[in-house]
Parts: sequence; structure tokens; C-alpha cells
Amino acid sequence: DTGVSQNPRHKITKRGQNVTFRCDPISEHNRLYWYRQTLGQGPEFLTYFQNEAQLEKSRLLSDRFSAERPKGSFSTLEIQRTEQGDSAMYLCASSLVSGDSGANVLTFGAGSRLTVL
Amino acid sequence: AQSVTQPDIHITVSEGASLELRCNYSYGATPYLFWYVQSPGQGLQLLLKYFSGDTLVQGIKGFEAEFKRSQSSFNLRKPSVHWSDAAEYFCAVVPYNFNKFYFGSGTKLNVKP
Repeated sequence: DTGVSQNPRHKITKRGQNVTFRCDPISEHNRLYWYRQTLGQGPEFLTYFQNEAQLEKSRLLSDRFSAERPKGSFSTLEIQRTEQGDSAMYLCASSLVSGDSGANVLTFGAGSRLTVL
Repeated sequence: AQSVTQPDIHITVSEGASLELRCNYSYGATPYLFWYVQSPGQGLQLLLKYFSGDTLVQGIKGFEAEFKRSQSSFNLRKPSVHWSDAAEYFCAVVPYNFNKFYFGSGTKLNVKP
């Protein structure tokens, strides 16, 4: 297993364009999280999936943001009509949990850095 | 308000010196507690975790942390720092009966030769 993989690693785009990030979690992991990290800050929760179900979305996730995990494996995070304030590192993490438990350990990918000009 | 606080933004220690990084949280019941480390350009790597039981937990790379319920703290320690420990360290909390991780703002560790 190669761990959590995120693509692309870097994306530079112009304001108003759409971008999509992909996350491939560890294959046996059933839970997948998206976080956003800006310079000098800790990761902020965006959303998470258990299998293919999106169970929670942060209020940070405006209607320009959408995430999917169609078959309970890889996930995509799309940002429409990007704004300069969207510039950040987008982190994906996965974990294996049984039932509805917070006692799980996140394995993070290296992140996708977005720069909006 | 519920929060995770890492009061030290930057810490510089000499190689071979001891290290303590502070973390305080404000959540009702005892949460699940974690320390992660992030090197430049890398994702976060788990150092150690506390779910229950012994309040002194051992982690990788010689790190340990102690949960103190009365102080709502989970401080990270290492007896002798190596130059390769220079990185940013994040405390994280999962409140009981929640499923998402809340992270502190991080402490950047510099190691002097």
C-alpha cells in the first residue's frame, strides 16, 4: 500500500476558474476526510465520508465547494468559481473505523496546494 | 468556545536539550487526543495518541505525551532533541461522541546545532 495519494500536488489557477482535487485513500479505509490548511494555521475540517456517504460538512464549505466519494474509494473535491481566499493546502486523510466511533487514527496525504491568482 | 490551544507559535531548542510542547483543549468530556508532526511539503504524520487508560503515552521517534485531565492538557515531550526533529507539531482533539478532528494552530520547532 502506498498510503494516501493526492493529485495534483500543486495547482495554480486564475480567479473564477474551477479546480478539482483527487484523493486516493488507503484501500481498506472506510472513512475519508478533507481538511484545508492555510499558512501558519492548523488544518480546518471541511467534510468527511464514511464509505460513499457524506456524513458532515463544515459551514466553511460554501456552495462553491462540493465533494464526492462515488464508490466509497477515491474522492474528489471541486471548487467552482475560485476566489483568492481559496488559496490553501487541501489535505485528504483516511481511516478505518468500526461503527460510529471517533477513536480512529487519520493517515494524511501530502496535500494539494492551490494558488488562485 | 470549544478549542485546541497551542500557546507557543515558535520554539527553538539546542540539539540534545529536552523539549516540551504545550497543548490545552476545552471540551466537556475527555476527548481523544493526538499529536501530529508536519515537515515542509509533507502531510501530517501521527506521533502518538491517547484514547483511554495510562495517561502517559509513548510514540514514535522517542516522543511521549501526558494527559492531565485536571489541566485539560496533553503536552508533548522528548528528553533529547535531534536536528531531524525540526518541523511543525500539531495537537489534535476528537471530542467524545464526535467524528472530526480539531487541530491547534501548531508549534514550529527549530533545533540549534
